[in-house]
Amino acid sequence: AQSVTQLGSHVSVSEGALVLLRCNYSSSVPPYLFWYVQYPNQGLQLLLKYTTGATLVKGINGFEAEFKKSETSFHLTKPSAHMSDAAEYFCAVSESPSGTYKYIFGTGTRLKVLA
Amino acid sequence: GAVVSQHPSWVICKSGTSVKIECRSLDFQATTMFWYRQFPKQSLMLMATSNEGSKATYEQGVEKDKFLINHASLTLSTLTVTSAHPEDSSFYICSARSGLGSGRAKETQYFGPGTRLLVL
Repeated sequence: AQSVTQLGSHVSVSEGALVLLRCNYSSSVPPYLFWYVQYPNQGLQLLLKYTTGATLVKGINGFEAEFKKSETSFHLTKPSAHMSDAAEYFCAVSESPSGTYKYIFGTGTRLKVLA
Repeated sequence: GAVVSQHPSWVICKSGTSVKIECRSLDFQATTMFWYRQFPKQSLMLMATSNEGSKATYEQGVEKDKFLINHASLTLSTLTVTSAHPEDSSFYICSARSGLGSGRAKETQYFGPGTRLLVL
C-alpha cells in the first residue's frame, strides 16, 4: 500500500531563509508525486510534480523538489522564503496501481514566515 | 489552463435543508472528478470519485444517500448535501483530472477553490 508522511506539521523560517518541507513516501511501484499549496480558505494549487525522468523538479514560485528513490523522499525546498509563502503545503502520491487515480495525501505542513 | 471552479464559494443554510455544490472544469474535459472534505487545520479527506456518466464510488464511511454526487457531463459534477445538519459544516473541495496526455500525466488532479458550508 502507498502512503505519505510529512514530517513537521508546523515549520517556521525567517524571511530570506531556506525553506525545507519534508515528504517521505511508501510505494511498491514507481511513484507519481505532487506538492500542493493551500492558502487560507482556498483550494489547492499545484506547485510541482514528479513523474519520470529528471529527479530535480522545478515548480512555481521558486520552489523545487528532488525525488530520491533510495531515501523514498520528495522534499520541497525554496532558497529564500518570502512572506507570501506562508501557507499549508501538502505532499501527495497518486494511487496509480489501483487504477482509480486517487491521491494519498500527507497530513500537511503549515509554513510560517517570520519577518 | 486546467482551471476548476466551484459554486457557491460559501453557503449558509438551515438544518434540514439540502445544499447543492457545483464543480466545473472550465478549459478541459474532466474524465474523473473527486470530492473532498476538509476539517479545520486538517488534510483533505476523499469522499467520493465520480466518472462521467456512471455512479460515484464512495469512500468507506461516507453516506451515499447523504452526499449525492452527479457527474452528468464531462465538465460538471455536483455534490448535494441532503438534509444538512450542523455536523455537515465543513470546507468541500472538488478536483478534476482530464484523462488526456501520455503516460501518467493524466493522473494530475486540478483543484477547485472550495466551498465553505455552514449549517445552522
